[in-house]
Parts: sequence; C-alpha cells; structure tokens
Amino acid sequence: DADVTQTPRNRITKTGKRIMLECSQTKGHDRMYWYRQDPGLGLRLIYYSFDVKDINKGEISDGYSVSRQAQAKFSLSLESAIPNQTALYFCATSSLAGVNTGELFFGEGSRLTVL
Amino acid sequence: GNSVTQMEGPVTLSEEAFLTINCTYTATGYPSLFWYVQYPGEGLQLLLKATKADDKGSNKGFEATYRKETTSFHLEKGSVQVSDSAVYFCALSDSGYSTLTFGKGTMLLVSP
Repeated sequence: DADVTQTPRNRITKTGKRIMLECSQTKGHDRMYWYRQDPGLGLRLIYYSFDVKDINKGEISDGYSVSRQAQAKFSLSLESAIPNQTALYFCATSSLAGVNTGELFFGEGSRLTVL
Repeated sequence: GNSVTQMEGPVTLSEEAFLTINCTYTATGYPSLFWYVQYPGEGLQLLLKATKADDKGSNKGFEATYRKETTSFHLEKGSVQVSDSAVYFCALSDSGYSTLTFGKGTMLLVSP
C-alpha cells in the first residue's frame, strides 16, 4: 500500500458543487501539504499543516479550505467549485527527523475536473 | 521571496545523449536545493538534494552541484535512457524546511 494515499483519484463535478479531497498517510510524519499542479505553472502550495492544531495558508489558498482531522489525515475542500480549479492536486508529507529531513513524500494525485 | 527558474521544455534527446537541465534560484539565507522527478501518471519523488554550497547530490546517474556564486543547481546525466522520460522539478527550501518552492518543471523526452 502507498504511504500517502489520496481519494478520489479522479473526480468530475459541476460548477458550484462542494468537493472534498482526502489524504491519509502511514509515514508518521507531522507535516502535511496540499499542492496544485497546472501545465506550465508547476506546483503551487495551497495549504500546509505542521501538526494537528496548526494550519497555514500557502500562495493560492483562496477558494479552498482544509481540515487536519488527525496526524495522519489532511483533507482539502472546495466549497463552491469553479472551472479554473480544474487541476491535478497532490498531498505530501514531510518530517524534520532523520536523513530524509525536508524531503516531501507525495501521493499519486487527485485529478479534478470542474465543468 | 524565494523563487526557482528552470529551463522550459520539452527537452528531446536520443538515448545515450548527455542531459543538462538548468535551474537557478533566488532565496534569502542558505536554502537547501532539490530535484524531484515525476513519471507519467505518478506523484513526484525526490531524485537528489544538496544542503550547502559546493555539495553535489547524485542518484541514478544524475548529478547536480549547489553553486552559491551563480545561484544555480543544474541537473546533469551523462547518458540518458528512454526510462528517464519524465518531468523534472527543481525546488528549494529555506533553512527551516518550512515549505518547498518549486520551479515550473521541465519535460524530458528520450527516444530510442
């Protein structure tokens, strides 16, 4: 099983609908992130969390919200989806411990299409 | 703020050719530098990293040297394979590893 699991992997929805993307991890990492990938724009940070009680906005947080339900779970919500939120979304985790300090571990991505 | 600039792609090479993907950065302090690779249909995975000036990161035949004087971290490989076809991202983190800033990615296509 993957260490960082995202659900759903693919989702098509309509403008105005509420959407939740979920992320769970078995790596035991404290830090979790949501990124968005668009062609030609690379990865942009939406939100990040350093522990269960810590939530921080990234560079493109408008139109999104997050919830850190537990150390292992971090969900991303689109309250009212719009077409320019069509993108590939990645969850990632990291830790400050050990030889992998600072390294991000990514899920396989959730492709969202908003019609 | 921090930023990463990498060469636009796609980079198209024949198998066994030499690869260079340029990456330059702007940052305050002493960032750590990373190269991530994304194979088709997959998430990103770390390829190599360097944490201080003049460090050389290497993995799977790829190398990159942290050049503080030119603020660069160019990715090189002496002989590419078809299996190296992927998108490569240069990234930096601040000294506290709070967040990573990514470049826009460079697609590499290797033909037999």
